[in-house]
Amino acid sequence: GENVEQHPSTLSVQEGDSAVIKCTYSDSASNYFPWYKQELGKGPQLIIDIRSNVGEKKDQRIAVTLNKTAKHFSLHITETQPEDSAVYFCAASRSGTNAGKSTFGDGTTLTVKP
Amino acid sequence: SQTIHQWPATLVQPVGSPLSLECTVEGTSNPNLYWYRQAAGRGLQLLFYSVGIGQISSEVPQNLSASRPQDRQFILSSKKLLLSDSGFYLCAWSVLPGTTEAFFGQGTRLTVV
Repeated sequence: GENVEQHPSTLSVQEGDSAVIKCTYSDSASNYFPWYKQELGKGPQLIIDIRSNVGEKKDQRIAVTLNKTAKHFSLHITETQPEDSAVYFCAASRSGTNAGKSTFGDGTTLTVKP
Repeated sequence: SQTIHQWPATLVQPVGSPLSLECTVEGTSNPNLYWYRQAAGRGLQLLFYSVGIGQISSEVPQNLSASRPQDRQFILSSKKLLLSDSGFYLCAWSVLPGTTEAFFGQGTRLTVV
């Protein structure tokens, strides 16, 4: 089955700096890679996703890159703000299954210091 | 618009007592439904998923069971809770076909004492 590894497990940055979270996956057939943000005591919410036919996707301060050959994808947050502090999860799934059955990474706790 | 409701938000139960967590989805038909457990500082472990009424797939052996009595209702149950059942339980839904995002509920914090 699919295995997703996520690094780092914790990340602390100064407000205004950039944050990068990296994930690797094992199943070369995976073609959908969402990123979720989970605030304390709440359920995860999708912040950005990328499909395997795209190498990079950007939405304001958030971007995701995908390297299919190396089987890794990364989340980039620029100009971080204190409200970006949360746990971030990457996930991977493939066509024929569905996003809810994705394999999730163990999460990265991001702390943005004001 | 679609919404997902999960309750209760917190629950404290004694060891050996039964459990029933409920999840309902509004605004969509025939969703795929999921139950996840999240241990402290860890990722999401898929417990059960359902692609239709009465259709339940279990991902890991455990002390829990799931049922889907209606199209948009998903229930997580246990006859006798164990201490190890403590955790944060999340219900989620997604749409087929293809791969789309999963929409999560707000979660239930279960503490077995």
